[in-house]
Amino acid sequence: GQQLNQSPQSMFIQEGEDVSMNCTSSSIFNTWLWYKQEPGEGPVLLIALYKAGELTSNGRLTAQFGITRKDSFLNISASIPSDVGIYFCAGPAGGTSYGKLTFGQGTILTVHP
Amino acid sequence: DVKVTQSSRYLVKRTGEKVFLECVQDMDHENMFWYRQDPGLGLRLIYFSYDVKMKEKGDIPEGYSVSREKKERFSLILESASTNQTSMYLCASSFRSGRRNEQFFGPGTRLTVL
Repeated sequence: GQQLNQSPQSMFIQEGEDVSMNCTSSSIFNTWLWYKQEPGEGPVLLIALYKAGELTSNGRLTAQFGITRKDSFLNISASIPSDVGIYFCAGPAGGTSYGKLTFGQGTILTVHP
Repeated sequence: DVKVTQSSRYLVKRTGEKVFLECVQDMDHENMFWYRQDPGLGLRLIYFSYDVKMKEKGDIPEGYSVSREKKERFSLILESASTNQTSMYLCASSFRSGRRNEQFFGPGTRLTVL
C-alpha cells in the first residue's frame, strides 16, 4: 500500500522560531491534507491542497503541494506556545479507497516560551 | 461547521465486557471511519462505512465490529474487551470519494480496559 514518510518525527523549538516539516509519498497524490492534533483531542484539518505547485496559507501556516506530486511541506512562522501538538500529513489511500486516507506518522512539536 | 461527536471522552471497562463507542456526524457525509491511535503507531484504520449498512474492514479489524443503521451514526463494538484494546479511539467522516477527501474527526474516546 501507499506509504507516507513524515519528517522530522519531533521538534523542540523556542517561541518565535519558524518551523518546517515535510511529507513524501511512494506514489503520486492528487490531494494533500495537513492536520493538527492537540493533546487529548481529535485531529483538526488545517490546510487542504488539490493542485501540484499550490501554495496555501492559513494564518501563520503555509503549506505547499510539491511539483512532483509526491511531497508536501508545512511551514509555521513565528511559533507560539499554542502551536504545540502533533501535525499529520495525509493523502488518498489509492485504489478503490472510498475516501480512505493514508496518514504520516506525525511530527510532534514542542514550543518553549 | 462540520461536527462529529463521540459518546464519551473517557471510558473505563473491565476485561471481557462488551463496549459500545458511538459516533454521530451532522454533515450528511456518506463515509464514516473508526481509527485507533497508539503512541508510535500513528492512526490505524479499524473499519469504515461508505453507506448505511455497508462496512469494510480496515487495517486492524480483529476484535472489533461496527454497525451503521443510520447515515449519521456509526458505532464501534468491542465484543469482549481486552487490555490490548486500551487506546484512543477516533471517529471521522467525509463525503464519498471524489476530489475532496477531507475527513473530519471527533474529539476521541480514551478507553482503558482493566
